[in-house]
Amino acid sequence: EAGVAQSPRYKIIEKRQSVAFWCNPISGHATLYWYQQILGQGPKLLIQFQNNGVVDDSQLPKDRFSAERLKGVDSTLKIQPAKLEDSAVYLCASSLEGTKRNEQFFGPGTRLTVL
Amino acid sequence: DAKTTQPPSMDCAEGRAANLPCNHSTISGNEYVYWYRQIHSQGPQYIIHGLKNNETNEMASLIITEDRKSSTLILPHATLRDTAVYYCIVRVGMRNFNKFYFGSGTKLNVKP
Repeated sequence: EAGVAQSPRYKIIEKRQSVAFWCNPISGHATLYWYQQILGQGPKLLIQFQNNGVVDDSQLPKDRFSAERLKGVDSTLKIQPAKLEDSAVYLCASSLEGTKRNEQFFGPGTRLTVL
Repeated sequence: DAKTTQPPSMDCAEGRAANLPCNHSTISGNEYVYWYRQIHSQGPQYIIHGLKNNETNEMASLIITEDRKSSTLILPHATLRDTAVYYCIVRVGMRNFNKFYFGSGTKLNVKP
């Protein structure tokens, strides 16, 4: 089965610019997650969707970050305007609830560099 | 607000067992322990998980102490391809509303 797809893989922008990341989860997975992974740290959850509704966005810096999941499939994460400290890898994951593992499947990530 | 503590790095000789420890002293009774690993430039991948019993699969074994405050991931015969960052994770919540709390991970270096 196809895995979680993300694009672009790499992005370099200057501070105060805007950027958007795209994620296509595994087909049939209702739950979608966006994580931020700063160099040398573990991933930190930014937002979780169940179908097209937000379940948890408590760690999302809402003054500059936004995310949507139209039609409950693909999702986009936007940063506007970007700051230097936003440099990180942004990981998308999806899961199919009700399985024994309750496993999250991760995409390869988008590496963002803010100059 | 990481719920787990891991050593930052460990070395292991190829072919030997790798034992990766994790402390999760504040874990609650219904919270699971998961282990994932992340190979350079890839997303994390599932290895194993457990609640209170020891678990084994084709990749690894998970030993959870009786008080559930710590666990150990065992890779029985480490290979060079097992070089990665290993994350011990506490899963909080139930069904559709669960959340993974990642620690900082252990960088395992498997040496020939």
